[in-house]
Amino acid sequence: SQQGEEDPQALSIQEGENATMNCSYKTSINNLQWYRQNSGRGLVHLILIRSNEREKHSGRLRVTLDTSKKSSSLLITASRAADTASYFCATDEGGAQKLVFGQGTRLTINP
Amino acid sequence: SAVISQKPSRDICQRGTSLTIQCQVDSQVTMMFWYRQQPGQSLTLIATANQGSEATYESGFVIDKFPISRPNLTFSTLTVSNMSPEDSSIYLCSVSYSNTEAFFGQGTRLTVV
Repeated sequence: SQQGEEDPQALSIQEGENATMNCSYKTSINNLQWYRQNSGRGLVHLILIRSNEREKHSGRLRVTLDTSKKSSSLLITASRAADTASYFCATDEGGAQKLVFGQGTRLTINP
Repeated sequence: SAVISQKPSRDICQRGTSLTIQCQVDSQVTMMFWYRQQPGQSLTLIATANQGSEATYESGFVIDKFPISRPNLTFSTLTVSNMSPEDSSIYLCSVSYSNTEAFFGQGTRLTVV
């Protein structure tokens, strides 16, 4: 299966600013998930949005989903140095439990 | 939710040897997944491990190179066989439930020299 695309591939912003990452995918889905990975280790689940949802919030995170465009965005508001990490979107391709990951965005928050 | 214990967390291996990675889940799950993350890249699914049947491999991955065992509903192993430097990656196991979040082990960082 082909991976989805994320942009930008890398993003560097000042602490306190907002960070927006975008994700596109190729097939029909039941849900789309966002994960964070610090220092190339295990993934931390951030948020899951189902195909019948358009927007979801969790703390400083806001996720949107546009199934007509097969795209999603992750907004992190009021960024902190601890948000520095790689962020990946992942879809359950065709409704299967296995995940197809986007290429990832490497986010750097500068103090 | 699920808690996954994966080991080893890292290893440095000689080319031509094999390494077996273990993944233990704290609850019974039907399917377990093995992913590879090459340096600076995203995650790519290697195979789905089903209890009681052979693993299902994704395009580009073969059983001879990545044999998988799934002896019960809480445990799986992935072996990286006849290793070469190109196999240097992070290997992660994962479980998920229908239409819910997936859970990942902490990964095994493999370096082949």
